[in-house]
Amino acid sequence: DAGVTQSPTHLIKTRGQQVTLRCSPKSGHDTVSWYQQALGQGPQFIFQYYEEEERQRGNFPDRFSGHQFPNYSSELNVNALLLGDSALYLCASTGGGRNYNEQFFGPGTRLTVL
Amino acid sequence: DAKTTQPNSMESNEEEPVHLPCNHSTISGTDYIHWYRQLPSQGPEYVIHGLTSNVNNRMASLAIAEDRKSSTLILHRATLRDAAVYYCILRTTGNQFYFGTGTSLTVIP
Repeated sequence: DAGVTQSPTHLIKTRGQQVTLRCSPKSGHDTVSWYQQALGQGPQFIFQYYEEEERQRGNFPDRFSGHQFPNYSSELNVNALLLGDSALYLCASTGGGRNYNEQFFGPGTRLTVL
Repeated sequence: DAKTTQPNSMESNEEEPVHLPCNHSTISGTDYIHWYRQLPSQGPEYVIHGLTSNVNNRMASLAIAEDRKSSTLILHRATLRDAAVYYCILRTTGNQFYFGTGTSLTVIP
């Protein structure tokens, strides 16, 4: 079992550009959540996808959008990048129906906005 | 507003117990208390969770105050591999996880 995988590992963009990050959940998991972790801070919840729909959303602007595919993998898109979007973006998956007790996190994608 | 507050850092000697405190005074009756830890360059890892009663698993114990406004993660015998940032988290009925700022645990050999 490969666990949760994310790509790319690192990414450098400039202000105003758009970025797409990708996540493959742990085998058997159907729910994917995305988090933003600024340096020295705890992860902040962005949104959660289940059955290809956004089910919950944290306090993030519409520049942050996502998608979930039929195979449960997911993408996070960020438009009009700002310097403050520089962070580690984490993907987490849960599964087993409605078992949210244990999320499995990927290693993250480090985004740097210049 | 932060839903949980934790000390920024703590130290422990190897093979001694560690008590990591967390305050969550605004917790609602249906929020679960979770603890995760994050090693350098890795994503967070599940440690334990509970609702009202104290919980034990192979990694740790979770002691929850009777009024649920605070909790304590207990590592019974700290090892060098337990050095990490420990996050106290509230999970809402909407299954959103609210992380605190975490406690950086240093284990001294």
